[in-house]
Amino acid sequence: KAGVTQTPRYLIKTRGQQVTLSCSPISGHRSVSWYQQTPGQGLQFLFEYFSETQRNKGNFPGRFSGRQFSNSRSEMNVSTLELGDSALYLCASSLGRASTGELFFGEGSRLTVL
Amino acid sequence: AQSVTQLDSQVPVFEEAPVELRCNYSSSVSVYLFWYVQYPNQGLQLLLKYLSGSTLVESINGFEAEFNKSQTSFHLRKPSVHISDTAEYFCAVSEGGSYIPTFGRGTSLIVHP
Repeated sequence: KAGVTQTPRYLIKTRGQQVTLSCSPISGHRSVSWYQQTPGQGLQFLFEYFSETQRNKGNFPGRFSGRQFSNSRSEMNVSTLELGDSALYLCASSLGRASTGELFFGEGSRLTVL
Repeated sequence: AQSVTQLDSQVPVFEEAPVELRCNYSSSVSVYLFWYVQYPNQGLQLLLKYLSGSTLVESINGFEAEFNKSQTSFHLRKPSVHISDTAEYFCAVSEGGSYIPTFGRGTSLIVHP
């Protein structure tokens, strides 16, 4: 069974640009969550999607957005990039129903903002 | 609201020595507990989990963790570490019915030869 796939793995952007990251969950998983990981803040929850609907949201500004498609694939977008957005962005999937909270993570997309 | 505290940000240890990584949580309801491991430039991988039943859970690579409800702890232990165990370890807690676990800040385990 293929794992969670994130693309791209690495990218470099400049301030003010926007970026879109993609996540393909494990087959059969309908929930996709996004996390931002930085050395100073640790793992911070961005949002979670289930059946194309945002079900949970963390405490991030509106520049951070996401969506989920009918095949459960998800994208997240960050607009008007700031230096502080440099981070590892992790996607995780789960079945999404009667969940225990167990997550299956991708390898992440490392974003550097210059 | 639940919270997770990993008391040590960094734990240095020599190869073949025992290690304990501490995790305490706060929650007023039943919980599910997890330890994840993250190797450099990779995502998180589930190491072990407590959902119900025996309070002592084990992983395939020699780690174990014990759920202590009275002390609200879920410490991770290994009797003899290897260089390859060097990684970041995250404790996570999920309240019953919640889809979103809360993660600790992580503990960096550094194994020296």
